[in-house]
Amino acid sequence: AQTVTQSQPEMSVQEAETVTLSCTYDTSESDYYLFWYKQPPSRQMILVIRQEAYKQQNATENRFSVNFQKAAKSFSLKISDSQLGDAAMYFCAYRAGLTQGGSEKLVFGKGMKLTVNP
Amino acid sequence: NAGVMQNPRHLVRRRGQEARLRCSPMKGHSHVYWYRQLPEEGLKFMVYLQKENIIDESGMPKERFSAEFPKEGPSILRIQQVVRGDSAAYFCASSPRFSGRNEKLFFGSGTQLSVL
Repeated sequence: AQTVTQSQPEMSVQEAETVTLSCTYDTSESDYYLFWYKQPPSRQMILVIRQEAYKQQNATENRFSVNFQKAAKSFSLKISDSQLGDAAMYFCAYRAGLTQGGSEKLVFGKGMKLTVNP
Repeated sequence: NAGVMQNPRHLVRRRGQEARLRCSPMKGHSHVYWYRQLPEEGLKFMVYLQKENIIDESGMPKERFSAEFPKEGPSILRIQQVVRGDSAAYFCASSPRFSGRNEKLFFGSGTQLSVL
């Protein structure tokens, strides 16, 4: 079974600085997707960024970028120029690819609470 | 275009009562997923449904829990004879189709179930 591990339960960063959130996963599959979701106090799950395992290039979305190390099964999220609105729980998630068939269910890590200090 | 709508936002039940959680997917979406989030935990997959069909219920507890997604109306997650351990946030997500590469899952804001 696939597992996703976020070993840091909490982190803090100063506004305008950069922070990196770590995530490791375990799978025997070669085709899969990885995601970072943000969950603010409103509880809404918001997709931050996604990475297809078959793509070597790291995904970027404005201030958010990932460092995807397929061999090491590592998928970290870098937030640049941190803003107060970035404060939230962040969840790393895994999904098997099309070739695995079945449903497109996500496997989530336990999450990490990010605090942004003004 | 309204997002995924879940209601109620908060639900309080006493032990032994039934809980019914509703999810209206985004317009045009025919795939629904239910997840449960226990305190201090990530979301755990429960069940995946398409209209009138349960596709994958591998994450559903064997007893007391059931889900449906009828041809008309919202998807319903039903918990019978609730116990305190059922207290959690229940999230629904929808997607337009089993499309894979460009598919995007849209989440609702969840229903917080509290069992007294």
